[in-house]
Amino acid sequence: GAGVSQSPSNKVTEKGKDVELRCDPISGHTALYWYRQSLGQGLEFLIYFQGNSAPDKSGLPSDRFSAERTGGSVSTLTIQRTQQEDSAVYLCASSLRDLFVETQYFGPGTRLLVL
Amino acid sequence: KQEVTQIPAALSVPEGENLVLNCSFTDSAIYNLQWFRQDPGKGLTSLLLIQSSQREQTSGRLNASLDKSSGRSTLYIAASQPGDSATYLCAVFTGANSKLTFGKGITLSVRP
Repeated sequence: GAGVSQSPSNKVTEKGKDVELRCDPISGHTALYWYRQSLGQGLEFLIYFQGNSAPDKSGLPSDRFSAERTGGSVSTLTIQRTQQEDSAVYLCASSLRDLFVETQYFGPGTRLLVL
Repeated sequence: KQEVTQIPAALSVPEGENLVLNCSFTDSAIYNLQWFRQDPGKGLTSLLLIQSSQREQTSGRLNASLDKSSGRSTLYIAASQPGDSATYLCAVFTGANSKLTFGKGITLSVRP
């Protein structure tokens, strides 16, 4: 594909609802990352997938957050029982390999607003 | 824990000026360092990636340097243009958890 794509581009939801954010990485990229960018904060790592290995979930802020990557390609980030502090831009990135030399390519992000 | 700092948070310069953006990191055991550009409402675009064994990388009017031992990197922008106005983020890759650790960015405004 031409680049990393994410959907939806914007999402407004009510507190307590569940949301699903989608990421389509660049074709052939084996590594996929989710980050969160909150207002006034830097980018915060959430989760990392590499090939068929178990994902690194060390950045997920709570058990309300989960992510899947199906068939080594598309990934879905799910936030259950959303809270107002979940409002942020959620960015997905992919790279050809995970270590040392590879540039991470970022999608445009999903802007989530929890009312 | 790796921490990345970018100071100042914002910078405004007149068009044509050469400028330097600074980045510092606390753990020098990095594999590489990347500079990104983020336009309002957009994702990140990678500008330059410097491997830990390298001292600098150049792309057009941009030059990034890395001093790993002192935990510092600079992004030099020559002959700045209004189109350079954006937020510039520095990120280091330590290999631990295979994630990038980002600074909060420097928002650059180039005045015509």
